[in-house]
Amino acid sequence: SAVISQKPSRDICQRGTSLTIQCQVDSQVTMMFWYRQQPGQSLTLIATANQGSEATYESGFVIDKFPISRPNLTFSTLTVSNMSPEDSSIYLCSVEEGALGGYTFGSGTRLTVV
Amino acid sequence: DQQVKQNSPSLSVQEGRISILNCDYTNSMFDYFLWYKKYPAEGPTFLISISSIKDKNEDGRFTVFLNKSAKHLSLHIVPSQPGDSAVYFCAASVGNAGNMLTFGGGTRLMVKP
Repeated sequence: SAVISQKPSRDICQRGTSLTIQCQVDSQVTMMFWYRQQPGQSLTLIATANQGSEATYESGFVIDKFPISRPNLTFSTLTVSNMSPEDSSIYLCSVEEGALGGYTFGSGTRLTVV
Repeated sequence: DQQVKQNSPSLSVQEGRISILNCDYTNSMFDYFLWYKKYPAEGPTFLISISSIKDKNEDGRFTVFLNKSAKHLSLHIVPSQPGDSAVYFCAASVGNAGNMLTFGGGTRLMVKP
């Protein structure tokens, strides 16, 4: 199965600044997903990133707030822009390995906005 | 090194029968375990959890069993329904206060009518 390197693992950021989270995969994958882990252990899908096309955002998430890059089949970034304390959360990337393949999750980024 | 493993990538079960999904972990620090269900084109939704102080937790048709000595947990679905067809992830964390989750690779369950 794929191995994902997600960075940073944690950060404390000032209100109004931006943080870019990176996920590097050790193999080529078509679809990468970005999630936010919320209290109560629920996972919310932010967007799906396919290489060579615009990311698809879920309801409640917009590109201006969470711009995503997918420059190739092994890498993606999620930026949390103009941060507020409400953005404090754990952010996860994930990949699906083929239509019937398994899933791999990154190790997560714990973001605290002060 | 995968700390949480789901060794069966897929499972096919007849409607009405029991579905058993298995998960193994290696990190003895994990003390909180969760199961998520994922339909295509959707994010995973939380299903059921168990703390390491218990060995069983039941919620309707879903029961999770934890064997700490074997570092093994399983999800039982009884009776299985076609709507249960989805990918199931197990996840583990140290503590349950919104801590980082470590996920297994998922098991694709197909319940046949």
